[in-house]
Amino acid sequence: AQSVSQHNHHVILSEAASLELGCNYSYGGTVNLFWYVQYPGQHLQLLLKYFSGDPLVKGIKGFEAEFIKSKFSFNLRKPSVQWSDTAEYFCAVISSGAGSYQLTFGKGTKLSVIP
Amino acid sequence: SQTIHQWPATLVQPVGSPLSLECTVEGTSNPNLYWYRQAAGRGLQLLFYSVGIGQISSEVPQNLSASRPQDRQFILSSKKLLLSDSGFYLCAWSVKVNYGYTFGSGTRLTVV
Repeated sequence: AQSVSQHNHHVILSEAASLELGCNYSYGGTVNLFWYVQYPGQHLQLLLKYFSGDPLVKGIKGFEAEFIKSKFSFNLRKPSVQWSDTAEYFCAVISSGAGSYQLTFGKGTKLSVIP
Repeated sequence: SQTIHQWPATLVQPVGSPLSLECTVEGTSNPNLYWYRQAAGRGLQLLFYSVGIGQISSEVPQNLSASRPQDRQFILSSKKLLLSDSGFYLCAWSVKVNYGYTFGSGTRLTVV
């Protein structure tokens, strides 16, 4: 079964610091990769997604993620975080193929940005 | 535009009571529908998905069931709630599986 690992449970950064959240998945075939964000008191929103093509994907609010197939990784990055980036971030994977409907999530990384 | 409605937002239920959470989607036809549960420290877990009316697939054996009586309606139920059913329940829909999902606002269920 597909699994997704997010390496950090809770990350605390000061404003303007750079961010990298790790995500690794287990499936070796074709995958679609996502990062979702959940701001305090709000529902899950799609931050960015990768289907194919350029492995460096740009999302909303200055976030980007890089798909490295050889490392089974899809790390999320932002060069300079803001207090408003405080949220929980979820990496998710769908393995392509007939009947593949399950979006498998990591356990999430809570990001706290200190002003 | 497509919207997804989920209610109630919060619910406190005693152990042994029944449960019914409803989710409806507007602005699309024949969506794939999903129920996820987010438990503290455990991330998001797929409970059920449906690719059409009356078609339900269960991912995790448990005390819950799901039904899809109409194309854009997805219901999560339980006959007798357990303490372990407490959590945050999210409904989601997708048109094509690799386009990602759109999530509802969730229901915070506390079983006491």
